Amino acid sequence: EDKVVQSPLSLVVHEGDTVTLNCSYEVTNFRSLLWYKQEKKAPTFLFMLTSSGIEKKSGRLSSILDKKELFSILNITATQTGDSAVYLCAVLDSNYQLIWGAGTKLIIKP
Amino acid sequence: NAGVTQTPKFRILKIGQSMTLQCTQDMNHNYMYWYRQDPGMGLKLIYYSVGAGITDKGEVPNGYNVSRSTTEDFPLRLELAAPSQTSVYFCASSQTGGAYEQYFGPGTRLTVT
Repeated sequence: EDKVVQSPLSLVVHEGDTVTLNCSYEVTNFRSLLWYKQEKKAPTFLFMLTSSGIEKKSGRLSSILDKKELFSILNITATQTGDSAVYLCAVLDSNYQLIWGAGTKLIIKP
Repeated sequence: NAGVTQTPKFRILKIGQSMTLQCTQDMNHNYMYWYRQDPGMGLKLIYYSVGAGITDKGEVPNGYNVSRSTTEDFPLRLELAAPSQTSVYFCASSQTGGAYEQYFGPGTRLTVT
């Protein structure tokens, strides 16, 4: 059975800290891996990763994929209270369906 | 450009009632999806559609039905509501199935009592 596992499930850090969120997967016929940020409502897209070793960056957020070891990480540097959210990882399979992880709840304390 | 819109935002149903959750997108996307998200959990795919007139089951289709008569609209029908269907429902759309991210609607919070 295809699955996506995120860790940790929750994380509390102080403003200014750097955090690393993990996403491992076992998905037949992997196409791509996506990261989303979910605050109070709908998930909003962060990154899509298709190739190993190529880092995607957007401001203080960055992500990389390892297709050999079947995982991805999402890094957030110099965290701010506005980064508090649930971060969701999802893998797109050969049927173009997204298989979602349960998310990592990140809390940034001032 | 409204993106993906969903109605209603909130709804309380009694066990055994039926309702339709509406979803409309104005981006001319071919792919549309319905997900449910239970508290503290990831999203689970209920149904999806790759174009008008074409729908297919996702991971958790039981108790739901969909139709896709136009590119813009993808309503989700709940028949004989059960407490297990209490959840937040998200509709999403994407330009194609593979290369593009999905755009989500604001969600519908449904409670069945």
